Order: sequence, then structure tokens, then C-alpha cells
Amino acid sequence: GDSVTQMEGPVTLSEEAFLTINCTYTATGYPSLFWYVQYPGEGLQLLLKATKADDKGSNKGFEATYRKETTSFHLEKGSVQVSDSAVYFCALSLNDYKLSFGAGTTVTVRA
Amino acid sequence: GAGVSQTPSNKVTEKGKYVELRCDPISGHTALYWYRQSLGQGPEFLIYFQGTGAADDSGLPNDRFFAVRPEGSVSTLKIQRTERGDSAVYLCASSADRGNSPLHFGNGTRLTVT
Repeated sequence: GDSVTQMEGPVTLSEEAFLTINCTYTATGYPSLFWYVQYPGEGLQLLLKATKADDKGSNKGFEATYRKETTSFHLEKGSVQVSDSAVYFCALSLNDYKLSFGAGTTVTVRA
Repeated sequence: GAGVSQTPSNKVTEKGKYVELRCDPISGHTALYWYRQSLGQGPEFLIYFQGTGAADDSGLPNDRFFAVRPEGSVSTLKIQRTERGDSAVYLCASSADRGNSPLHFGNGTRLTVT
């Protein structure tokens, strides 16, 4: 079935460090890919998305590129802040409403 | 403006009891979704409403689970004869429509079955 595998956490890093969270997917068709983020005490919210191969999604300094050849959608940020501490979820969708999520990666940024 | 509201935020019930979980979507959003998130896992799709009708209920785990949205706004997820394995965070989301509209999630209801 359609699924997402993302890097296990937790990830702890210092402010201004480079962050990468790996995400690979398995799908029978051509999915749209998403990164959702859950800040402490808040609901899940969409961080960025890409709908076709080679698209790059970006938001709040985060980027992810849809790589069909490697079935990947890795999340990157060049310089993290304490406020980026959150749980990050990679997800795919084949039909615009049913999302399949990865298990989530907890990121903690220390000052 | 107001986001997706879920009540209660926490619910503790005994095995075998019936529970109802409520979701108030963002006003005007026609699409509504229920997901379930078990500890250490990502959310899993349960059901999707477009207006009043359940367009896809393929994620409901068994016939103890049922959801309604009678007026196309508020939705209630109903669980009969609860089991300890039903313990999870139940998430509701809404969107302006299917397609490119982003999903807006509530904070969830944490259900604990003792």
C-alpha cells in the first residue's frame, strides 16, 4: 500500500545548525507530497507541499524537493531557531483528501 | 479567526462504554476529516465528509465506529463498546474544499479507555 517512511527521531541540534529530515515514499500512482508540523500545544499545520516531480515546496525557510527517481521528499532548513522545535510529519496523498502520514520526527533546537 | 475546535480535549472512559467526540470545523468549510493518532505514530485516516455525506469511510476500523455530520457543519465521531486499543488522539480537520485547499487540524481529543 501507499506509505511514507521518515527519519526516526528525536533530533536535537543547536541554534543556527543545518537540519535535514529524510522522507521516502511508496505509492502506486503519482502522489502529492507534504510536510506538516505540530508545534507544542498546537494542532497539525501544513508547512509545505509539492504536487509533481521536481517541484520544490518552501515556507518559513524550510525546503523540500519532490524527487521521483529516489521517491524522496527530504525536508531541509539551513539555520534553525529555537522556535522550530516541533514534531514534523511527512505525508502523501493520491486523491486530494486522504493523507498517509509518516510516524513523525521530533526536533528540539537548543539555544 | 476561530480554528477547528474539538471537544472534549480529554476523555477517559471504561472499557465497554460509548463515547462521542465532537468537531466544530472552520465556518464555511465544506470538507471535514477524522484521523486517529496512536502513540508514536502518525495520524491515520478514518473518514472524510463532503457536506453532509460521508464520501469515504474506508478508514473506520470496524462497525463500532460511526461518524455523522447532519447539517454539513459540526461532526460527531461515535465509538461503541470501547476497547483499550481505541485509546489514541482523535484529530479532526476541515478544508474549504477538496483539492488544493489545505487541511486545518484541531488540537484533537485524547481518548483513554481503561
